[in-house]
Amino acid sequence: DMKVTQMPRYLIKRMGENVLLECGQDMSHETMYWYRQDPGLGLQLIYISYDVDSNSEGDIPKGYRVSRKKREHFSLILDSAKTNQTSVYFCASSSGTAETLYFGSGTRLTVL
Amino acid sequence: QQKVQQSPESLIVPEGGMASLNCTSSDRNVDYFWWYRQHSGKSPKMLMSIFSNGEKEEGRFTVHLNKASLHTSLHIRDSQPSDSALYLCAASNPAGGYKVVFGSGTRLLVSP
Repeated sequence: DMKVTQMPRYLIKRMGENVLLECGQDMSHETMYWYRQDPGLGLQLIYISYDVDSNSEGDIPKGYRVSRKKREHFSLILDSAKTNQTSVYFCASSSGTAETLYFGSGTRLTVL
Repeated sequence: QQKVQQSPESLIVPEGGMASLNCTSSDRNVDYFWWYRQHSGKSPKMLMSIFSNGEKEEGRFTVHLNKASLHTSLHIRDSQPSDSALYLCAASNPAGGYKVVFGSGTRLLVSP
């Protein structure tokens, strides 16, 4: 069964704290993505990863960094979180470029 | 930065009616379009993809693509209350590293 798993589902942090969002997939997909979703803005691409240690900035990378040391695992890191990073974060994976994206269930992050 | 514009922002159709949603890309090199559906509180799921000029039908859903105008549309006939959701258009440009960019969505409400 194809699955993208995100942890945690809900997270509350204080401004200035570091945040780690984790994503795993069991499909051996090469390409993985991090998006954030805010009301009225759809999904905004933060980073894309083409494979292990092959990452590229999306449209809104400022304030974020990523790590992909294993094909099945992709992490999003917020160093010193800001209140405007409060959002729902989705991880997705695909079997290659120009293929269907499979999304995780999302992490709702609140930065106080 | 590639932009994907969707219209209308929201749409109300009666049960059994036809819903028509529109999407246009500002990137002339876009080659691939998808439509994703996201029910409230859930993650997006791919509904239909279209990569060639013309029309594609799957059950009650029909998608059109005009590559010259970079315009795609999604039509839902015999709309059901379960079709109420946020519909997201996505596009990808091979020259842009196949980053998948989403529009801000059309919120469809099917009234019983």
